[in-house]
Amino acid sequence: EDQVTQSPEALRLQEGESSSLNCSYTVSGLRGLFWYRQDPGKGPEFLFTLYSAGEEKEKERLKATLTKKESFLHITAPKPEDSATYLCAVQADSNSGYALNFGKGTSLLVTP
Amino acid sequence: GAGVSQSPRYKVAKRGQDVALRCDPISGHVSLFWYQQALGQGPEFLTYFQNEAQLDKSGLPSDRFFAERPEGSVSTLKIQRTQQEDSAVYLCASSSGTGNTEAFFGQGTRLTVV
Repeated sequence: EDQVTQSPEALRLQEGESSSLNCSYTVSGLRGLFWYRQDPGKGPEFLFTLYSAGEEKEKERLKATLTKKESFLHITAPKPEDSATYLCAVQADSNSGYALNFGKGTSLLVTP
Repeated sequence: GAGVSQSPRYKVAKRGQDVALRCDPISGHVSLFWYQQALGQGPEFLTYFQNEAQLDKSGLPSDRFFAERPEGSVSTLKIQRTQQEDSAVYLCASSSGTGNTEAFFGQGTRLTVV
């Protein structure tokens, strides 16, 4: 059965203090790994898609990387506006191939 | 519109009542998804449409849940005889492709069953 596990569950950073969020996964036939950001009371906002091991993508202070077992979301010099829940999801052959299987998320708080 | 629109934003239903939740996807998007998100959890897949065809309904928790997208655009998620455990945020997402392309989410409908 597909599994997506995110760690830590919660993370508190000082503004400017870089860190990484982890998403480990066990699936059969990865089609894509997705990162989303979710603010309270809102739907998830798309950040990145990674398709194969070794792939990296960047957007402002965020950088996502992928290996065969896990993905990292690196946050460089975060600002308070980066505070949100970060969700990781996988799309795989082992389910219908359409559904995104989400982790529980990492709740990030960046303090000034 | 510019994004995925869901209505109503909030719905309070008495236990046993039927509810209908609406999703207006981004214009031209082929794929449409429904997810259920409980408090403090990640979204859980309910069902998937490709145009008007419902290709995957494996995540629907019971036969009280029904979804349709008759003209390949607007979709409705219907829950019959609501129960307390149905209380959650229901999210709709759409994407332009049919494979592993990014999906864009609406703000969700928060359903509370009392």
